[in-house]
Amino acid sequence: GAVVSQHPSWVICKSGTSVKIECRSLDFQATTMFWYRQFPKQSLMLMATSNEGSKATYEQGVEKDKFLINHASLTLSTLTVTSAHPEDSSFYICSASATSTDTQYFGPGTRLTVL
Amino acid sequence: GQNIDQPTEMTATEGAIVQINCTYQTSGFNGLFWYQQHAGEAPTFLSYNVLDGLEEKGRFSSFLSRSKGYSYLLLKELQMKDSASYLCAVSVGRAGKSTFGDGTTLTVKP
Repeated sequence: GAVVSQHPSWVICKSGTSVKIECRSLDFQATTMFWYRQFPKQSLMLMATSNEGSKATYEQGVEKDKFLINHASLTLSTLTVTSAHPEDSSFYICSASATSTDTQYFGPGTRLTVL
Repeated sequence: GQNIDQPTEMTATEGAIVQINCTYQTSGFNGLFWYQQHAGEAPTFLSYNVLDGLEEKGRFSSFLSRSKGYSYLLLKELQMKDSASYLCAVSVGRAGKSTFGDGTTLTVKP
């Protein structure tokens, strides 16, 4: 149980384009999903907290207009990186939990490379 | 903010026991997670401690002392595949946000 998937697993795009990443909880309903970014040899940095049916809460320093998050159902959240630039290249990981304080289960991550 | 400290690197021998410590300073504490992360992969859940004490799960055990802001992950009968980064994360507040430590890179040698 507690399986979380992400799609795509990797993506290469041109600078200025937008990329959408999907995060799905496959066998449980996730009230809360979290989006993280991880640069090489660094720890996970929380970008935003997403609750089903409400607006995401962004961490300080994360541009909400650049990183659009939608959590329209209890099993799906999406992160759209708009007008991507090379500095946005990173490993993006989502996690999902049944309630906000429950265990977070991580998706396999999406490696984004912006050329 | 939340302060989480754990050693950067540790080395141990196959078959041995290793203890990875984590100290934290936080408010609104819900619980503490331990995750394992292999290079290039996402973290996988190991344990979640809410109450003080030791929780054992196979070769892995995790301990928490809320009053001391201290936790450790104990790995027994080390195997080569245990070489990975081990992340300590603290869940705080009603939103359950987790703040991660920088991780401890464990290298298991033959």
